[in-house]
Amino acid sequence: DADVTQTPRNRITKTGKRIMLECSQTKGHDRMYWYRQDPGLGLRLIYYSFDVKDINKGEISDGYSVSRQAQAKFSLSLESAIPNQTALYFCATSLGTYNEQFFGPGTRLTVL
Amino acid sequence: QKEVEQNSGPLSVPEGAIASLNCTYSDQGSQSFFWYRQYSGKSPELIMFIYSNGDKEDGRFTAQLNKASQYVSLLIRDSQPSDSATYLCAPEGGFQKLVFGTGTRLLVSP
Repeated sequence: DADVTQTPRNRITKTGKRIMLECSQTKGHDRMYWYRQDPGLGLRLIYYSFDVKDINKGEISDGYSVSRQAQAKFSLSLESAIPNQTALYFCATSLGTYNEQFFGPGTRLTVL
Repeated sequence: QKEVEQNSGPLSVPEGAIASLNCTYSDQGSQSFFWYRQYSGKSPELIMFIYSNGDKEDGRFTAQLNKASQYVSLLIRDSQPSDSATYLCAPEGGFQKLVFGTGTRLLVSP
């Protein structure tokens, strides 16, 4: 079984809809991250969490919110989806020793 | 100036050759440096990390770090077609975050 899982893997939605992307991990890592990847722009950090009570904004948090329901679960919500949020979204986890991050398989989101 | 600079490529090498991937970074406080491999449409996969000046070898991969020059590189020896992918450089950017470059696309021809 995969250590880091993301659901759904693909999602098509319409402008204005609220959607949630979920991430679960069995690695036992405390730190979890949400990134988006756009062609030519690389991976950009949306939010990150060092434990259940610690959530921090990344460089592009506007229009997004997160919830850390448990050590193993970290969800990303788009409050009101817009077309320029069409991207590939990745969840990652880290143990924190040297901050090696391990990525989930990704969610391809399309906002029409 | 971008925080992390990588040549987008593609870098084309024949099978069996050495591929050399380079990365420069602007944050002098970065202590750890990571290389990820990403196949098209897939998630980044950690290949190596390095935190001391000099070389670190792992199989066919060697990471090289020069903090004074703010330069990190990845050498792939005996390149294989399966190495064809985009390679992402990611220095640690403080507060336990990584800052990713946009990647270098490597093409290994049989």
